Amino acid sequence: KAGVTQTPRYLIKTRGQQVTLSCSPISGHRSVSWYQQTPGQGLQFLFEYFSETQRNKGNFPGRFSGRQFSNSRSEMNVSTLELGDSALYLCASSLRDNTGELFFGEGSRLTVL
Amino acid sequence: AQSVTQLGSHVSVSEGALVLLRCNYSSSVPPYLFWYVQYPNQGLQLLLKYTSAATLVKGINGFEAEFKKSETSFHLTKPSAHMSDAAEYFCAVSPSNTGKLIFGQGTTLQVKP
Repeated sequence: KAGVTQTPRYLIKTRGQQVTLSCSPISGHRSVSWYQQTPGQGLQFLFEYFSETQRNKGNFPGRFSGRQFSNSRSEMNVSTLELGDSALYLCASSLRDNTGELFFGEGSRLTVL
Repeated sequence: AQSVTQLGSHVSVSEGALVLLRCNYSSSVPPYLFWYVQYPNQGLQLLLKYTSAATLVKGINGFEAEFKKSETSFHLTKPSAHMSDAAEYFCAVSPSNTGKLIFGQGTTLQVKP
């Protein structure tokens, strides 16, 4: 069974640009969550989607957005990139909507220059 | 608001020695607690979870954790460290038993030969 797949794995952008990251959950998983990991702030929750609806949202500015498609695949978008957005962005999926037990992808490492 | 504190950002043990990674949580209600491990350049992997069924929880790779409500702790232990245990370990709490997890700052475990 394939795990959570995130693309791209690595990318470099410049300030002011926007970026879209993609996540394919494990087959059958309907919940997808996104996390930002940085050395200074650690792991921070961005948002969670379940059945195409955003169910939870973290404390990030509106430049960070996401969506989920009918096949449970998810994308997150960051507009007007800032240097501080450089991070590892992790996607996680779960089988049911209430376990808290997450299966993580390997992440997309974003560098903003 | 719920939070998690991991005591010690870096722990070093000798191969074969006891591993003890500390985690304290703050919660007004019985929480769902987790330990995750992250190997270099990889996503997070669930080690074990506490969901109130038993206070002593056994996980993968020989790890276990004990939930102590009186101490609001959920420390992770392993009787004998292996070199392959070297990684970063995260304690997390699920405030709403969904895909939103609140993570501690992480503890890097170093295993010396």
